[in-house]
Amino acid sequence: DTGVSQDPRHKITKRGQNVTFRCDPISEHNRLYWYRQTLGQGPEFLTYFQNEAQLEKSRLLSDRFSAERPKGSFSTLEIQRTEQGDSAMYLCASSLGKDTFGEQFFGPGTRLTVL
Amino acid sequence: QKEVEQDPGPLSVPEGAIVSLNCTYSNSAFQYFMWYRQYSRKGPELLMYTYSSGNKEDGRFTAQVDKSSKYISLFIRDSQPSDSATYLCAMRVGGSYIPTFGRGTSLIVHP
Repeated sequence: DTGVSQDPRHKITKRGQNVTFRCDPISEHNRLYWYRQTLGQGPEFLTYFQNEAQLEKSRLLSDRFSAERPKGSFSTLEIQRTEQGDSAMYLCASSLGKDTFGEQFFGPGTRLTVL
Repeated sequence: QKEVEQDPGPLSVPEGAIVSLNCTYSNSAFQYFMWYRQYSRKGPELLMYTYSSGNKEDGRFTAQVDKSSKYISLFIRDSQPSDSATYLCAMRVGGSYIPTFGRGTSLIVHP
């Protein structure tokens, strides 16, 4: 399978714990995006990388959230001191930066439940 | 008021029906208009996109954009049970790669 992969698919944690998610984009895609999707809502943009550079962050991305993309390949999203309001699906997408449209291909998501 | 409004449904239709899904928006700077399909517990997948105004057809799917009314539509002809999913509209301004999504419309096509 050459699509976007995310790990883990599900994560249950207790309030106050730290969690880390991983995203592996499609090979050669230089752009990588993180979104959060809650039940009954569309995805909301969190942050975006071009290669290893984090170019844009949403104001939704509080200080407890941090994302990295070392060497411009896979990316990690860490949430520190999780809160119940962090419960959501975290989606990763990647795109190739060679055309003006830049279709984004989404992974299956990581579903986070904070107890 | 959200930038992109979309009725969540659910919309239930019989197999073979023509389905009409739509979104309204408030940001006149939007230039790319996209429709995504999302099956339960999966990530969204792009169905089609339109740049600026006009119509675009791809098989059973037709997308329409009316910038004067700030209104976009997706039509599905000869709907099938496999079309049952949530349909998300999304839009973005030119020069940005970050879309703003609607909340999605749940479509159920029953045999």
